[in-house]
Formats: sequence, structure tokens, C-alpha cells
Amino acid sequence: QLQLQESGPGLVKPSETLSLTCTVSGGSITSGYFYWGWVRQTPGKGLEWIGTIYYSGDTYYTSSLKSRITILVDTSKNQLSLRLRSVTAADTAIYYCARATGGSYPFGWLDSWGQGALVIVSS
Amino acid sequence: DIQMTQSPSSVSASIGDRVTITCRANQSIISYLNWYQQKPGKAPEVLIYAASSLQNGVPSRFSGSGSGTDFTLTISSLQPGDFATYYCQQSYSTPTFGQGTKVEFK
Repeated sequence: QLQLQESGPGLVKPSETLSLTCTVSGGSITSGYFYWGWVRQTPGKGLEWIGTIYYSGDTYYTSSLKSRITILVDTSKNQLSLRLRSVTAADTAIYYCARATGGSYPFGWLDSWGQGALVIVSS
Repeated sequence: DIQMTQSPSSVSASIGDRVTITCRANQSIISYLNWYQQKPGKAPEVLIYAASSLQNGVPSRFSGSGSGTDFTLTISSLQPGDFATYYCQQSYSTPTFGQGTKVEFK
């Protein structure tokens, strides 16, 4: 059974970098049928798609965050990671990693999600 | 970005009721529309993909329809585990989600 688990600091200071790792178990991140994404959720803005990565390293970032984010994949560890630079309070959210599928790469639907990681931006 | 608007924002219903949730896109997304269910403290789970395809393991009381700009999620007979918030998501371009519809107990 596929499982995704986010990990990383729950508190980040303003202007610093948010870093999260997602460990995938029960399946290979190199499966060609799937790609991998990050989504965040806030009470104010709801669900927001952050970006997508294929195991080859090909990425797609949402335009509103593109200048601040980096998504990487480490196939040897079956992990993907998210780095969000220069954070502000507006980046406080629950961050989910998820598996994406569907023929419309880099878009599609998310058929398996991690439990989510709450990240608070505060000094 | 494509804007997705759900209605209603909340609905009160009883066990056995038929519940219909609507999602409208501000431009055509053909059939690139997906539906999720989210329970408090949990991640969303996909119910319907490509407007009308039922995800494996999802009960058949859930169904989706629509194309172009207007889509519907229907729960044919509401069950206790269906009280949750439902979201639509378009995957035609940079994915965006609706604001959610909370199904509450009447």
C-alpha cells in the first residue's frame, strides 16, 4: 500500500526557507505512470497546487510561487522535497505531498496523499 | 488561472438524502475535472476523476457529470461517513480548486 509521509520543521522564521521532505513507501517514485506534487491548504485561500515533479527531474511550478520554490526528487531515497524561500506569514499552511496521475502531465488528479505537515511562519 | 466556483458553500442534509454539488469553471475545461472528499484533520481523497470516472474503492453512490464549464457531484443516498467537505479541481491547466462545499447533518 502506497504511503507518503511529509517531514520537516513545523516553525520557520519570516524571510527564511521552508524545507520539507516527502518519503514514499510501498511504491517506487520512478514509476512512469505517476508524478509527484505538493499542495498546500490554508483557511483563507483553500487548496493551492504548488508544483509537480516527474522522477526524471522535470518540474512544473505554479506561476505565483515560481520565483521562490524548488522541488527536487531523490530516486535513491524514494523522496521528493520542497524548498520555499523568503517565507512570510502568508505561507503558513498545511503542506501535502501527493501522487499525481492522469494523462495530462504535469497536471492531473491526486490519487494518494500524505497526512500533511503544518508549517507556521512566525518569529 | 482558471477559477472554480462551487455551490452551495454548505448544505444540510439527512441520512438517505440525495445531495448535489455544483462546480463551475470560468472557461471550458472539457472534462478535466476531479472531485475530492476531505474529512476534518485528514488529507483530501479523490472520488471522481475526469468528470465522471469513479476512483477505485469509492462507493457507487457517488457520481459525477458535466463537461465544458459546468459539473456536478451527486451523492445518491447520503451515508454517515459522507459528512465532509467536497472540493472540485480542474486539471486542464495549472490546477486550481474550488472553495469547498461542506455537507453537514441536518
